[in-house]
Amino acid sequence: DTAVSQTPKYLVTQMGNDKSIKCEQNLGHDTMYWYKQDSKKFLKIMFSYNNKELIINETVPNRFSPKSPDKAHLNLHINSLELGDSAVYFCASSRGLEGNEQFFGPGTRLTVL
Amino acid sequence: KQEVTQIPAALSVPEGENLVLNCSFTDSAIYNLQWFRQDPGKGLTSLLLIQSSQREQTSGRLNASLDKSSGRSTLYIAASQPGDSATYLCAVKNSGYALNFGKGTSLLVTP
Repeated sequence: DTAVSQTPKYLVTQMGNDKSIKCEQNLGHDTMYWYKQDSKKFLKIMFSYNNKELIINETVPNRFSPKSPDKAHLNLHINSLELGDSAVYFCASSRGLEGNEQFFGPGTRLTVL
Repeated sequence: KQEVTQIPAALSVPEGENLVLNCSFTDSAIYNLQWFRQDPGKGLTSLLLIQSSQREQTSGRLNASLDKSSGRSTLYIAASQPGDSATYLCAVKNSGYALNFGKGTSLLVTP
C-alpha cells in the first residue's frame, strides 16, 4: 500500500491558470509538508502543517495556498501560474514535528507553458 | 540559517568498491539527520535516520555516522552495486521542523 500518494503525477498547464495538487498519507501521521525541487534538483521546504495547523510558511508567493481538510490530507493550490513555478513538488509526512522520519510521496512534475 | 553541503557532487566507481559520501552542516542544533536516495524521475526513499543523540545507524550495506559537534555525517556504502546508482541526499532537521537538504551526490556504479 502506498504510504504517501500524490495526484496528479504530471501536470502541464498554461501560464495564468489555477491548479491543485493533492496529497494523502495513510501512515497515521499528524504532520505533513510540501517541498519544491527546482530545475537544479535542489529541494526546499514550502509549507508544513501539524494537526491541520500551519506551522511553516517559507517565503513562498501567496499565489500558493495549502489546505489541510484533515490530518491525512494536504493539498496545494496554485493561482495564476507562472513559468517559474515549473518544478517537481513533493509531499511528505512524519509523526510529530521533531525527531521522526519523514516519508515522501512520488512527486508531481508541474510544467507551465 | 542552516546550510547543508554534500561532497562530492558526483562520483563514479567500479562495482564492488566501498565508498563514502560526505555531508556537512553549519548549525549543530539539529533534531536528526536523514539520508535519502532519489532515482531519476522518482521520489525520495529514506535510507537511514540518525537522531541527534546517536552516533551511527546501519542498514544492510549502508552505514551512516553523525558527528554533531563538528557538523558532519558520512554515508558508507559497502561493496557497491550498479543498482546503487542514484542521487543521495542528506537532510537535517532543526527547530524549524522542516528538513534542510544538501544538493546531493550523484553516484554511478559501473559494472
